[in-house]
Amino acid sequence: AQSVAQPEDQVNVAEGNPLTVKCTYSVSGNPYLFWYVQYPNRGLQFLLKYITGDNLVKGSYGFEAEFNKSQTSFHLKKPSALVSDSALYFCAVRPYKAAGNKLTFGGGTRVLVKP
Amino acid sequence: DAGVTQSPTHLIKTRGQQVTLRCSPKSGHDTVSWYQQALGQGPQFIFQYYEEEERQRGNFPDRFSGHQFPNYSSELNVNALLLGDSALYLCASSLSALTGREQYFGPGTRLTVT
Repeated sequence: AQSVAQPEDQVNVAEGNPLTVKCTYSVSGNPYLFWYVQYPNRGLQFLLKYITGDNLVKGSYGFEAEFNKSQTSFHLKKPSALVSDSALYFCAVRPYKAAGNKLTFGGGTRVLVKP
Repeated sequence: DAGVTQSPTHLIKTRGQQVTLRCSPKSGHDTVSWYQQALGQGPQFIFQYYEEEERQRGNFPDRFSGHQFPNYSSELNVNALLLGDSALYLCASSLSALTGREQYFGPGTRLTVT
């Protein structure tokens, strides 16, 4: 069975500073990896995904993520955080060869960007 | 282009009652998945529908059932409601069940069981 760990419940960062949200995963075989963001009282919004290819994936709103197979990690990054990036971030995984598209999510990391 | 829509937005039910939640997928999408998100937790997969059949199911009891219609819209039914069923129920749609396509989520239905 697959699993996702987001070791930090909350990340605090000053506006303009780099933002990193950590994610490690466990899955049988190769993974599909996803990052989603959730604003208060809203559904999840897709940010980016890793399927195959380049380990550095670029997504929406200036976010990027680096896939590291040896460390089974997929950390989300943004070079310069904005106050509007304050939200709840979820990492998710599904096995590459699995039928269906069940996603397994981490517990989420709350990001607070202070002016 | 309309995204994923869900109804109702909020719902309050009493223990033992039954509830039906509805979802319309993003235009062009044929696969619908349902997730339960308890307060302070990540979403948990309930089940997925493709071609009007349940294709994959998470670790949820038979009280949770669903349906997909020919127009790809879907319903989630929960019978014999428990207090622990209180959560945000999210519908997600995607194109085809067999690829690494990202899923697009609706705003959710907040269910409160009293």
